[in-house]
Amino acid sequence: GAVVSQHPSWVICKSGTSVKIECRSLDFQATTMFWYRQFPKQSLMLMATSNEGSKATYEQGVEKDKFLINHASLTLSTLTVTSAHPEDSSFYICSVGAIGSPLHFGNGTRLTVT
Amino acid sequence: DAKTTQPTSMDCAEGRAANLPCNHSTISGNEYVYWYRQIHSQGPQYIIHGLKNNETNEMASLIITEDRKSSTLILPHATLRDTAVYYCIVRWASYDKVIFGPGTSLSVIP
Repeated sequence: GAVVSQHPSWVICKSGTSVKIECRSLDFQATTMFWYRQFPKQSLMLMATSNEGSKATYEQGVEKDKFLINHASLTLSTLTVTSAHPEDSSFYICSVGAIGSPLHFGNGTRLTVT
Repeated sequence: DAKTTQPTSMDCAEGRAANLPCNHSTISGNEYVYWYRQIHSQGPQYIIHGLKNNETNEMASLIITEDRKSSTLILPHATLRDTAVYYCIVRWASYDKVIFGPGTSLSVIP
């Protein structure tokens, strides 16, 4: 069964609005989750590492004020795309992994900003 | 940067074995080799991983060279549903972030 639940699977929003994406770890407590973004015909690009109870670690070039990450519990991390613009349209994927187990990925969220 | 290199694309006839190579010449002693695949518009799916020994599960086999600088993922009887992008990555622990390379686009041909 699914190890990671990501919601919503797709969302359309208007430019200037904010969108929240949820990532839930179903099988274990995840102190660390990872957020990726993927543009068409490209590989996954790591955006940030989400740490439970502390600030996320962002990769170089990723705006932390635009992509707000909250990891308030051991089973839930959220990514909020603030003031979304058409160039933020992408496929966003989260992943979790417990000690000694492989990373498991959500099914992704397709964001379209109009 | 990704720690692995893979061919950009490969074709395989349906029913035949698909052998996907991966080079990871800078792998360290405590890093595992993981394989994932991504079917269009879905999240990556875990396939198999290994440290130094060859591994087999219901999906595939993983052959790691003795020097651990390269590996091969083997899909023994490829089907059309195996058409996907296959990613080879190396990582140490669960908290180690994973950087994806471009992967290999495998096309299984009828």
